[in-house]
Amino acid sequence: SQQGEEDPQALSIQEGENATMNCSYKTSINNLQWYRQNSGRGLVHLILIRSNEREKHSGRLRVTLDTSKKSSSLLITASRAADTASYFCATEFNDYKLSFGAGTTVTVRA
Amino acid sequence: DAGITQSPRHKVTETGTPVTLRCHQTENHRYMYWYRQDPGHGLRLIHYSYGVKDTDKGEVSDGYSVSRSKTEDFLLTLESATSSQTSVYFCAIGQGEQDQPQHFGDGTRLSIL
Repeated sequence: SQQGEEDPQALSIQEGENATMNCSYKTSINNLQWYRQNSGRGLVHLILIRSNEREKHSGRLRVTLDTSKKSSSLLITASRAADTASYFCATEFNDYKLSFGAGTTVTVRA
Repeated sequence: DAGITQSPRHKVTETGTPVTLRCHQTENHRYMYWYRQDPGHGLRLIHYSYGVKDTDKGEVSDGYSVSRSKTEDFLLTLESATSSQTSVYFCAIGQGEQDQPQHFGDGTRLSIL
């Protein structure tokens, strides 16, 4: 069964605003990863946060991880039209296998 | 982009026919994965391989088989396709090391009528 669940399912924001999406999971993990998928394309890795890390930054992306609540959040700051995509969290808990959530669809309006 | 090629990119076939999808990588990664993506389900793991001739089942393996005779190629076969296997199929590769991401191909859109 799927490990992660994203919230919200869809998000529409104005260009320049921040976008926040959340991921919850069920069991202990080695790490949690965020991926982006543009329409008709494969998933692209954005950022990985280890289970012993609490926060990580990469450019306009900020990821937090709270292992006590089994949850993570992805913040995209100063959004652009090019950020329009679906975003997935994935948890790795053993054997180098990932379990994906159903994703958050983000639409950035010009 | 990671060197992953999926073929075909699109396929339409009839129920009961066999279908084989191919994934080819040029990265020499040890692990290869097949996922299916359906609305509302995200990606679900079908089968994966951790080396030549070494494969194992994933979450949704019923009705699928795989083979890996070379490091660079991972084949997914639907022995007798059913309409429930209409989906977008993604191949991914990984190094098989702690805290490393997977890299994905652009997918195969398969329609079974």
